[in-house]
Amino acid sequence: QKEVEQNSGPLSVPEGAIASLNCTYSDRGSQSFFWYRQYSGKSPELIMFIYSNGDKEDGRFTAQLNKASQYVSLLIRDSQPSDSATYLCAVTNSGGSNYKLTFGKGTLLTVNP
Amino acid sequence: GAVVSQHPSWVICKSGTSVKIECRSLDFQATTMFWYRQFPKQSLMLMATSNEGSKATYEQGVEKDKFLINHASLTLSTLTVTSAHPEDSSFYICSAMTQIQETQYFGPGTRLLVL
Repeated sequence: QKEVEQNSGPLSVPEGAIASLNCTYSDRGSQSFFWYRQYSGKSPELIMFIYSNGDKEDGRFTAQLNKASQYVSLLIRDSQPSDSATYLCAVTNSGGSNYKLTFGKGTLLTVNP
Repeated sequence: GAVVSQHPSWVICKSGTSVKIECRSLDFQATTMFWYRQFPKQSLMLMATSNEGSKATYEQGVEKDKFLINHASLTLSTLTVTSAHPEDSSFYICSAMTQIQETQYFGPGTRLLVL
């Protein structure tokens, strides 16, 4: 069974610090990797996607992908209280079409003022 | 860009009634839309994949006769929960995929409460 694993947290960091969120996946053939942010009671919001090994930066966010280790991470620099949310890692399944996503259970991040 | 809407945002109904939820991609065409369900403190569970002009593909364990999906156009998919029961109460979220980026953008979700 294809799985995506995340530490459920909660991960607590002080304002201004770097928050590091990690995710591992079991399907070695997975091609695309996504990070979504979900505020309590709201639907997920896309933060970043990454397809290739290495780092991808967008503002305060950096996604890192290591396909050999089946590992993807999200770094949030200069964390703000407004970043407090659950962060969902999602991976597309290999094979077939339709680009279905498998989600991790999410990591709850709390940024303390 | 990539805005997805859902209607209604909240619905309360009596047990045994049917409820229709609409999902629209507002500024792009989506050949594929997805329907998810999320129970409190759990992650998203994919219910079905909806392709424009063809029958939906349901995930294992999801009753296709209970959760009717229609994807009649490139910007609209509907989910009808037929004969709803209290255990169907949940947060239903749709997503639409852009062809260019192959990325799913989520609607704001619909909270269903069946009394």
